[in-house]
Amino acid sequence: DAGVIQSPRHEVTEMGQEVTLRCKPISGHDYLFWYRQTMMRGLELLIYFNNNVPIDDSGMPEDRFSAKMPNASFSTLKIQPSEPRDSAVYFCASRIRRTSGTNEQFFGPGTRLTVL
Amino acid sequence: GNSVTQMEGPVTLSEEAFLTINCTYTATGYPSLFWYVQYPGEGLQLLLKATKADDKGSNKGFEATYRKETTSFHLEKGSVQVSDSAVYFCALSEDTNAGKSTFGDGTTLTVKP
Repeated sequence: DAGVIQSPRHEVTEMGQEVTLRCKPISGHDYLFWYRQTMMRGLELLIYFNNNVPIDDSGMPEDRFSAKMPNASFSTLKIQPSEPRDSAVYFCASRIRRTSGTNEQFFGPGTRLTVL
Repeated sequence: GNSVTQMEGPVTLSEEAFLTINCTYTATGYPSLFWYVQYPGEGLQLLLKATKADDKGSNKGFEATYRKETTSFHLEKGSVQVSDSAVYFCALSEDTNAGKSTFGDGTTLTVKP
């Protein structure tokens, strides 16, 4: 099991540029979550999908942020245009819905984004 | 709505000291409870979990007991090591909450030799 895969691991870009973060969830998982982590705000849920459909995007900071999940094995988080305040570590996580037992999330290693 | 409140950090301990990180929760239903750990430069990973009242989750010497009467899930370890230095997150999840989890703010633990 490869776990949740994110790319790139590090991204440095200039203000105004478009940034695309990528995530491959664990095979068979039907939920996918995007989080942002900063020192000031901690861990924030941005958006999550169930069976490729966005369920709750109330955490997306503004229209500059968008997320897609075109199929069960791939999701993107896009920031356009990027701003310095978007600098953070972005995590993707996935889980499987179980009828019994626990439903923990599995996190990827994160993408550290720096916007200059 | 659901919420998780955990002990504010940072926490600094000497090696072999006893650790307690408090966690209390508010939930509309009957949640599963979790502790996640985040080592420097890594994502969160599950440390332990419990699904019903009086269940004790344990892993790597850490323990936490699901206390429904006090709505708590405190994390304990009898003797910490330098390698336990990390950020610890308490979390809950309910299937009735459409699949998402609620996380606490995290507690940073530093263990000094």
